[in-house]
Amino acid sequence: DGGITQSPKYLFRKEGQNVTLSCEQNLNHDAMYWYRQDPGQGLRLIYYSQIVNDFQKGDIAEGYSVSREKKESFPLTVTSAQKNPTAFYLCASSIEGSTYNEQFFGPGTRLTVL
Amino acid sequence: AQSVTQLDSQVPVFEEAPVELRCNYSSSVSVYLFWYVQYPNQGLQLLLKYLSGSTLVESINGFEAEFNKSQTSFHLRKPSVHISDTAEYFCAVSDGSSNTGKLIFGQGTTLQVKP
Repeated sequence: DGGITQSPKYLFRKEGQNVTLSCEQNLNHDAMYWYRQDPGQGLRLIYYSQIVNDFQKGDIAEGYSVSREKKESFPLTVTSAQKNPTAFYLCASSIEGSTYNEQFFGPGTRLTVL
Repeated sequence: AQSVTQLDSQVPVFEEAPVELRCNYSSSVSVYLFWYVQYPNQGLQLLLKYLSGSTLVESINGFEAEFNKSQTSFHLRKPSVHISDTAEYFCAVSDGSSNTGKLIFGQGTTLQVKP
């Protein structure tokens, strides 16, 4: 079955630690996205990538980093510089980075800072 | 910058009653509009979308939304809801004049269907 997988489902981090969230897709999509979801705030774009080896900052990129070395993978690192990282993180992909293309979402990773 | 406002954070409704979830966006030359649904602790699923053509769009499970350019709205409606429709619903807008694929999401509306 084609789709997007995110791992782990739940992640706990101590303050000061960097953590990496995995996102893999087998849909052969060119574009991939990372969103952060907080209660009552909807989804906010962290980073996006329209093609391999290229990515752009979204609206709330501070304290996060990404890489796009393979078409199917777009890992997100939450660094110690992110002051309030506890949130639900969603990865998405689309056929290409055009505005009319549907985005397909993974099941999410819930990150909690202890 | 484009923005999306979902006017109700929570909408409680009894089973088999009609429902409307409201969505307004800031004006733009051209926009594409989407409604996504999220069940607890899951990702988002596309419910329906407006790209062009008929201003009334429908989903396979009985939801419909109408694009109203003059009122910059894209309200979601269902004539008779089921318990299984309980979920969070997000309205999203993309700017048709850009080529980034970026979506701007509203704050979400929690639909609570009561028996």
